[in-house]
Amino acid sequence: DIVMTQTPLSLSVTPGQPASISCKSSQSLLHSDGKTYLYWYLQKPGQSPQLLIYEVSSRFSGVPDRFSGSGSGTDFTLKISRVEAEDVGVYYCMQGIHLPLTFGPGTKVDIK
Amino acid sequence: EVQLVESGGGLVQPGGSLRLSCAASGFTFSSYWMSWVRQAPGKGLEWVANIKQDGSEKYYVDSVKGRFTISRDNAKNSLYLQMNSLRAEDTAVYYCARGYIAADWGQGTLVTVSS
Repeated sequence: DIVMTQTPLSLSVTPGQPASISCKSSQSLLHSDGKTYLYWYLQKPGQSPQLLIYEVSSRFSGVPDRFSGSGSGTDFTLKISRVEAEDVGVYYCMQGIHLPLTFGPGTKVDIK
Repeated sequence: EVQLVESGGGLVQPGGSLRLSCAASGFTFSSYWMSWVRQAPGKGLEWVANIKQDGSEKYYVDSVKGRFTISRDNAKNSLYLQMNSLRAEDTAVYYCARGYIAADWGQGTLVTVSS
């Protein structure tokens, strides 16, 4: 199984400041079709997870442009340009190239 | 608007069975892979199973193979998860999700396996 790791596991951010989360996979997520199957989800407190970013860097419908994803191969990053209070929650990366699909352990983001 | 509504969760004894259902609306159900993802209390997310549009392909995480069965009824816009031989470690909120990679999620249904 592909193991996903995230750093840091918790992050406290001042509103208006940037934030960055790293995700690493134990195998390359680059498929022979040229796509890289790395996804980012946010689970806000008391809510279901929601998809933020698909295929490394594409924002899902309705996701604000302060969220951006980057990376390649096995190393990926989610960046929030200016954190807002509504961005608190747990962020998960997930790989979609090999079964079983696997998630990272999550990064808990809160506001200072 | 995509809506996914899970039902069927509850308290069950170890070794027992439950059938979860997910009613889908707001999209063409028969055009999408569908998935189940679970979250144990206070823990992270774990993909459980997914099923192709016509039901011809089904995949499971190893820990549920042989015990859980995913199925769908495209005429009823519904997804199911039959769970047999339940164990304490299956205790979790079970989410129904649209797509192979879970683009949209339901609110979840809690399954508690305990004597």
